[in-house]
Amino acid sequence: EAAVTQSPRNKVTVTGGNVTLSCRQTNSHNYMYWYRQDTGHGLRLIHYSYGAGNLQIGDVPDGYKATRTTQEDFFLLLELASPSQTSLYFCASSVDRGGDTQYFGPGTRLLVL
Amino acid sequence: GDSVTQTEGQVALSEEDFLTIHCNYSASGYPALFWYVQYPGEGPQFLFRASRDKEKGSSRGFEATYNKETTSFHLQKASVQESDSAVYYCALGFNNAGAKLTFGGGTRLTVRP
Repeated sequence: EAAVTQSPRNKVTVTGGNVTLSCRQTNSHNYMYWYRQDTGHGLRLIHYSYGAGNLQIGDVPDGYKATRTTQEDFFLLLELASPSQTSLYFCASSVDRGGDTQYFGPGTRLLVL
Repeated sequence: GDSVTQTEGQVALSEEDFLTIHCNYSASGYPALFWYVQYPGEGPQFLFRASRDKEKGSSRGFEATYNKETTSFHLQKASVQESDSAVYYCALGFNNAGAKLTFGGGTRLTVRP
């Protein structure tokens, strides 16, 4: 079973604040993903990566940066947080190509005041 | 672009009822199809997948059959339990490099005891 962990689990910040969400997977998966989940929109892909140093733009990338520092670690950065970024964020990983089964972390709930 | 449509946003049933959640897709190729389940307070988790026409995927009493003609992958269960209450996501993905999963909007299932 793939292990994907996220930190922090909950975060509160103010508008204009700087936030970093962390994700680590320990099963040597090549692909990692960041999603946001909002009522009425389901899961929406923000950014993804297929290896250290690689970054691919997802479907809702505006206002987000991401960086994949190692095979295990993938970070999501909100440099000027806005209330519209209040959401539940999930990280996921998959073994190889995007059509493989994805394994999700427990989520980070972010509130931007 | 590719898309997945789940007709029902919410479904309410009683225990031992028959469940159907409709999933239709639109894609310019031959994708793999997935069902994921998300229990309260957790990340989505893989339920099962099917990769070719007429293939049946199944897990935990749930099943769905890939139908290329009708572009559908409807989730069914013969007798639901209260513990099946969750959000269910249908998704599609391609096995080419850089590909990603496309998720439907999700269906919230509530099962009354």
